[in-house]
Amino acid sequence: KAGVTQTPRYLIKTRGQQVTLSCSPISGHRSVSWYQQTPGQGLQFLFEYFSETQRNKGNFPGRFSGRQFSNSRSEMNVSTLELGDSALYLCASSANPGPEGYGYTFGSGTRLTVV
Amino acid sequence: SQQGEEDPQALSIQEGENATMNCSYKTSINNLQWYRQNSGRGLVHLILIRSNEREKHSGRLRVTLDTSKKSSSLLITASRAADTASYFCATHNSGYSTLTFGKGTMLLVSP
Repeated sequence: KAGVTQTPRYLIKTRGQQVTLSCSPISGHRSVSWYQQTPGQGLQFLFEYFSETQRNKGNFPGRFSGRQFSNSRSEMNVSTLELGDSALYLCASSANPGPEGYGYTFGSGTRLTVV
Repeated sequence: SQQGEEDPQALSIQEGENATMNCSYKTSINNLQWYRQNSGRGLVHLILIRSNEREKHSGRLRVTLDTSKKSSSLLITASRAADTASYFCATHNSGYSTLTFGKGTMLLVSP
């Protein structure tokens, strides 16, 4: 079956612009999580959606937002881009990472460069 | 914030040798997971060990968990050049459906 698909793979934006990243989870997976990876901060949790509801949110400013559609596809948006937003953005899907926990399947990521 | 801390930060070995990576964490967990990442691409899930388990095997991988010491180890036996990657531990904390990652161990396996 198809894996987690993230588009685009690479993106170059200018400071002050906004950007939208897309993630299509594995078919049947209703949970989608987003992570930011930078050399300095490592992997940091952004937010998690389950059945179109944001279930958890990480410690990021309000410029970072997301949403999930009825087909479980998710988008994240970053407004007023800053140089420090340059990172690899990873999306992960899971059948239902409840208290028992399950492994996540990650996409290949979107490499965002802000200039 | 980071929960898991991997040790060592980097490890260089020869093909055929075993590689051991350690992870420590701070709070109570539901489970601990190990992931591999090749050259800044996506993470690949390797193995999950639940808080009530002490050891788990998957192919050449062996994971241990010591909840009293809040630590885990990942052993890769008979390493291959293709095992060259960064390895991350991630904790799945009680009550939360998210993962908290450590900073990772970079493993280099030379032919």
